[in-house]
Amino acid sequence: NAGVTQTPKFQVLKTGQSMTLQCAQDMNHNSMYWYRQDPGMGLRLIYYSASEGTTDKGEVPNGYNVSRLNKREFSLRLESAAPSQTSVYFCASSLVGEAKNIQYFGAGTRLSVL
Amino acid sequence: GNSVTQMEGPVTLSEEAFLTINCTYTATGYPSLFWYVQYPGEGLQLLLKATKADDKGSNKGFEATYRKETTSFHLEKGSVQVSDSAVYFCAFGGSQGNLIFGKGTKLSVKP
Repeated sequence: NAGVTQTPKFQVLKTGQSMTLQCAQDMNHNSMYWYRQDPGMGLRLIYYSASEGTTDKGEVPNGYNVSRLNKREFSLRLESAAPSQTSVYFCASSLVGEAKNIQYFGAGTRLSVL
Repeated sequence: GNSVTQMEGPVTLSEEAFLTINCTYTATGYPSLFWYVQYPGEGLQLLLKATKADDKGSNKGFEATYRKETTSFHLEKGSVQVSDSAVYFCAFGGSQGNLIFGKGTKLSVKP
């Protein structure tokens, strides 16, 4: 039962470096999401993909890009990392993008930008 | 705008104590309501949900009732265990299919 798998689990970057966070789900879900978790802030939506081939901005999209590679995979890219992007990043998926639907989360990627 | 307010932690209880974590929300309409739990070093997992007014969600001894009149969804457990130590998040379903989260409440249960 893999569920939602995120790689890497940990990453340290220098300011200005780029990287891609990978996310894959094996539940045949249509909708996928990227959140960031900061101390005292809860989780905030960065980008989401309601279905394969579509992506939309969430609450805090600046400095990020996403790709819905196929139904299973949804990647998050930082083109030029900044210290303000130090955070824990969570990928989630749901069967469809409806407010009543349960989301399933990966274990997270802990990113530090120096 | 849409938001969730939940009681600030950390909350420290002794084993077998009664737990209440308050949660109120501001949203358009009557969204589905959720409690998620995050154990140390792990992602979030659904604890319970309620999809309409007066519904009671329950799981693992935890309960929460959807109160439309007070826009609340307080989490309760009659007797907590050390294994319940975690961060608890109240959330509701947003228009984009995403979740709108509260800031989280850290619970520590001492033996």
